[in-house]
Amino acid sequence: DQQVKQNSPSLSVQEGRISILNCDYTNSMFDYFLWYKKYPAEGPTFLISISSIKDKNEDGRFTVFLNKSAKHLSLHIVPSQPGDSAVYFCAASGGGTGANNLFFGTGTRLTVIP
Amino acid sequence: GAGVSQSPSNKVTEKGKDVELRCDPISGHTALYWYRQSLGQGLEFLIYFQGNSAPDKSGLPSDRFSAERTGGSVSTLTIQRTQQEDSAVYLCASSLGRGGQSGIQYFGAGTRLSVL
Repeated sequence: DQQVKQNSPSLSVQEGRISILNCDYTNSMFDYFLWYKKYPAEGPTFLISISSIKDKNEDGRFTVFLNKSAKHLSLHIVPSQPGDSAVYFCAASGGGTGANNLFFGTGTRLTVIP
Repeated sequence: GAGVSQSPSNKVTEKGKDVELRCDPISGHTALYWYRQSLGQGLEFLIYFQGNSAPDKSGLPSDRFSAERTGGSVSTLTIQRTQQEDSAVYLCASSLGRGGQSGIQYFGAGTRLSVL
């Protein structure tokens, strides 16, 4: 049962515009959320995270928004650059779940068109 | 090196053979994880090591899979009698601890396993 879902397998955005990647989760015990970026033939690279006590975290061009009532988070990249083209994975963790691992979505492939 | 190191980067094997995959975590990280990613899928948790505690093996798909972590550092994932459905990228990650910011996991580049 997929507890973290990324329903858009791909997204194309023009360079300079905003990219919005979405993620939904089902387990209300998750208390920490992360975004990873993955280039081909490389492992996922940590990008940004947010604790469930916050609703927004910003780091440069990247902002993550968390809506706990909707069990939804999103990653905004602005302005988008061609180097941002990669697969983005949403992940969640939670001590309350009793699990030691991160739960990952299936990823969204972002293509930024020059 | 500063990051998580995995070897080999690619492994091709015949069905029925055993394989060993190695992971060298970031120095000082007490937690180590193995995941696998099959084609078109997300990352699937396999096993977790934390310090000297008993590992969390809840994600291992069958008893053909096992892992060890020696001296709290290097880990080896062993797959016995490989099957074609074992073909995937096997990823190792490490973190300072568990949960929240200390639980942020840093990944190696993975081992791509192909079972013919």
